[in-house]
Amino acid sequence: KAGVTQTPRYLIKTRGQQVTLSCSPISGHRSVSWYQQTPGQGLQFLFEYFSETQRNKGNFPGRFSGRQFSNSRSEMNVSTLELGDSALYLCASSLDRAQETQYFGPGTRLLVL
Amino acid sequence: AQSVTQLDSQVPVFEEAPVELRCNYSSSVSVYLFWYVQYPNQGLQLLLKYLSGSTLVESINGFEAEFNKSQTSFHLRKPSVHISDTAEYFCAVSDLRGFQKLVFGTGTRLLVSP
Repeated sequence: KAGVTQTPRYLIKTRGQQVTLSCSPISGHRSVSWYQQTPGQGLQFLFEYFSETQRNKGNFPGRFSGRQFSNSRSEMNVSTLELGDSALYLCASSLDRAQETQYFGPGTRLLVL
Repeated sequence: AQSVTQLDSQVPVFEEAPVELRCNYSSSVSVYLFWYVQYPNQGLQLLLKYLSGSTLVESINGFEAEFNKSQTSFHLRKPSVHISDTAEYFCAVSDLRGFQKLVFGTGTRLLVSP
């Protein structure tokens, strides 16, 4: 099976812009989670989608949003970018329940100038 | 709410030496426990996980971790490391009643020297 894919792999944006990141899960996986990784804050949970519904959300401002399509592909959007949004954004897919392994993609590295 | 503490930010070790990476967690509910590894410029890969049953879990590449409920720990060990084990290791927990949300520790960078 193909792994989790994320596009694009690298992005450079300027403050105030918005950005959309894409994630394609492993075939058959209906849960997609997003995480932000920074040197200062480490790995932090953003949100999780299952069957096009957001089931869980982390402590991030409303500028961070996401959605999931009927084919389980997911996108996350960050509006009004700030310098502190520079990070590696990781997507993970899994089957339904918490004990199921999350499989991570390679990430999208976002640099905000 | 859960939290995970990895006290060692960096662990240097010589090749073929044993290593232990420490992980302690705090949670008011029962949790599942995971160790993930991240190689440079890559995403995370699952090393091993504890769901229930035997408190000692093993990975295919020689790592093992032991769940200790009384000490709320899930330390990762390997009896003999290789250069290729150089990477960052993350301990994580998830609420066993909940959905897919991992709470990670800050990570331990394992540096293996020849």
